[in-house]
Amino acid sequence: NAGVTQTPKFQVLKTGQSMTLQCAQDMNHNSMYWYRQDPGMGLRLIYYSASEGTTDKGEVPNGYNVSRLNKREFSLRLESAAPSQTSVYFCASRGWTGRGQPQHFGDGTRLSIL
Amino acid sequence: GIQVEQSPPDLILQEGANSTLRCNFSDSVNNLQWFHQNPWGQLINLFYIPSGTKQNGRLSATTVATERYSLLYISSSQTTDSGVYFCAGTMNTGFQKLVFGTGTRLLVSP
Repeated sequence: NAGVTQTPKFQVLKTGQSMTLQCAQDMNHNSMYWYRQDPGMGLRLIYYSASEGTTDKGEVPNGYNVSRLNKREFSLRLESAAPSQTSVYFCASRGWTGRGQPQHFGDGTRLSIL
Repeated sequence: GIQVEQSPPDLILQEGANSTLRCNFSDSVNNLQWFHQNPWGQLINLFYIPSGTKQNGRLSATTVATERYSLLYISSSQTTDSGVYFCAGTMNTGFQKLVFGTGTRLLVSP
């Protein structure tokens, strides 16, 4: 039982390149989330998927797209990377769409854009 | 939106000391969680504590939802406790969005 798995763990991109960050969970969770963490700050929500087939914007969605491929997988795409998107990206999942459950986090993807 | 304030922002302890970290919310929250971010950047779930008190070894947490705060107690601190501690919660009207505080950076020296 791996929990939430993110790939890759590290990536360096040049400005303007595109990239997809992958996330998969094996806990049969309905909801999945993408956050970013900038230096010295807490996490901020980029996009979330309350259930398979739905996605919604979070606090900082500009410059990103997401795909809920199936119940297990939720990917985050940078179409044209910018230096401001240099950050650590975390994926999370939660058991059901009602209240009363914690979110479980992956180990993060460290992304640098030059 | 909801604001999450954590105090103190920085804390330096001698190994073996006890400490209390505080988290204040500007509005009612649900699904309150405490995390430890270790020096490798991993986010470790410490507690899911929307209300009441829980204990796990040397750590315990208390949330008083009606007064919009939560406390994390660390007893007999160890060097491995170093890192950043975050609290986070979801708003009553938006249970999907976990709002994080800016963290308490803890350094435990031997």
